[in-house]
Amino acid sequence: SQKIEQNSEALNIQEGKTATLTCNYTNYSPAYLQWYRQDPGRGPVFLLLIRENEKEKRKERLKVTFDTTLKQSLFHITASQPADSATYLCALDPSSNAGGTSYGKLTFGQGTILTVHP
Amino acid sequence: SAVISQKPSRDICQRGTSLTIQCQVDSQVTMMFWYRQQPGQSLTLIATANQGSEATYESGFVIDKFPISRPNLTFSTLTVSNMSPEDSSIYLCSVCSSSYEQYFGPGTRLTVT
Repeated sequence: SQKIEQNSEALNIQEGKTATLTCNYTNYSPAYLQWYRQDPGRGPVFLLLIRENEKEKRKERLKVTFDTTLKQSLFHITASQPADSATYLCALDPSSNAGGTSYGKLTFGQGTILTVHP
Repeated sequence: SAVISQKPSRDICQRGTSLTIQCQVDSQVTMMFWYRQQPGQSLTLIATANQGSEATYESGFVIDKFPISRPNLTFSTLTVSNMSPEDSSIYLCSVCSSSYEQYFGPGTRLTVT
């Protein structure tokens, strides 16, 4: 069966450290994978998208890697701050393929609750 | 990016009644998506709403329970019909950009008693 799993339900780290979140999937061959941030009572906010032919992508303090052999994506937040505390979701479009076609439908992991302590 | 608003932001409803949730986007889009987020769970896609055609429902969701309207390119409604406590969830609408980024509304928190 198809699954997308985020390994940690919750992650607690000290301010200034790097947070690393993991997303694994099985029986999908997505053309891209996305990461979202969700704060309590709000809708998810798009952070980064990484394509299957990209090994790594960066945006300010955020870094995402995508290993299609391991079927895994890692999401890093460097120099973490208490304001980074939120739930982080990985998502993929099962209908996407190597040709880049996508219908915009997303399947989400269950999320990792990140808490950054001052 | 797109700015999405939803109404109502929250509601408490009685078992057996129906609630219609509105979603308004600040630009014209071809497809709009409706998701459900049950308490403590992640998001699950309910259906895709295209203007001028019937919505496409995901496995486990049916039109009789979740009728959707899409009267124009900036607006959609989702109705949760004949509600039971199991329908208590956050309902979110979203749109997808040309670069596959999704923008979500703030959600409608529904509690069924």
